[in-house]
Amino acid sequence: QVQLQESGPGLVKPSETLSLTCSVSGGSISSYYWSWVRQPPGKGLEWIGYIHYSGSTNYNPSLKSRVTISIDTSKNQFSMKLSSVTAADTANYYCARVSGSRLYDFDYWGQGILVTVSS
Amino acid sequence: SSELTQDPAVSVALGQTVRITCQGDSLRRFYASWYQQKPGQAPALVIYGKNNRPSGIPDRFSGSSSGNTAFLTITGAQAEDEADYYCNSRATSDVHVLFGGGTKLTVL
Repeated sequence: QVQLQESGPGLVKPSETLSLTCSVSGGSISSYYWSWVRQPPGKGLEWIGYIHYSGSTNYNPSLKSRVTISIDTSKNQFSMKLSSVTAADTANYYCARVSGSRLYDFDYWGQGILVTVSS
Repeated sequence: SSELTQDPAVSVALGQTVRITCQGDSLRRFYASWYQQKPGQAPALVIYGKNNRPSGIPDRFSGSSSGNTAFLTITGAQAEDEADYYCNSRATSDVHVLFGGGTKLTVL
């Protein structure tokens, strides 16, 4: 059974960079795409971007200038950095596995991590 | 267009059938996927592709589509189906991922 676990700071100051890591267990990170999705408290889901195990990426146009997703196959982890954060970036951040070739079926999810942007 | 639109809230009587809708131009080309999210939990994939259920998803969940609209149907809704439901798809003109705004399902 594939399991994903997000880790990182729960509090980030405005204008700083939010950094999160997703650790994958129970399966190899290779041969799949991996994604980040966020959800502001009480609101809907927003796709952030995804990365292929080869390193190719695709980002939400609304976040593209601020986000970088990377992967470390040796550690079975992938990571996300979001720069110049504001209060609007306060959200639960989920990592997820992308299933199949359609690139929008997320079949395994982490439990999520709440990141608050505040001074 | 790069949006998916869902009704904010829907209710259904216990044991009855409910259909949750998702509208968007991209759905003319791509089948929607559907996710169930219960309070305090991560979303869970319930329908993908034309009408496929991941292992463990009850067969009372089904998906269909017509034109620019996708439907998630729950036949014989149970109390445990009370949750938020989100559709998603690919954008029409690129490989970006879209999510609908979500529908809160109440089982009466």
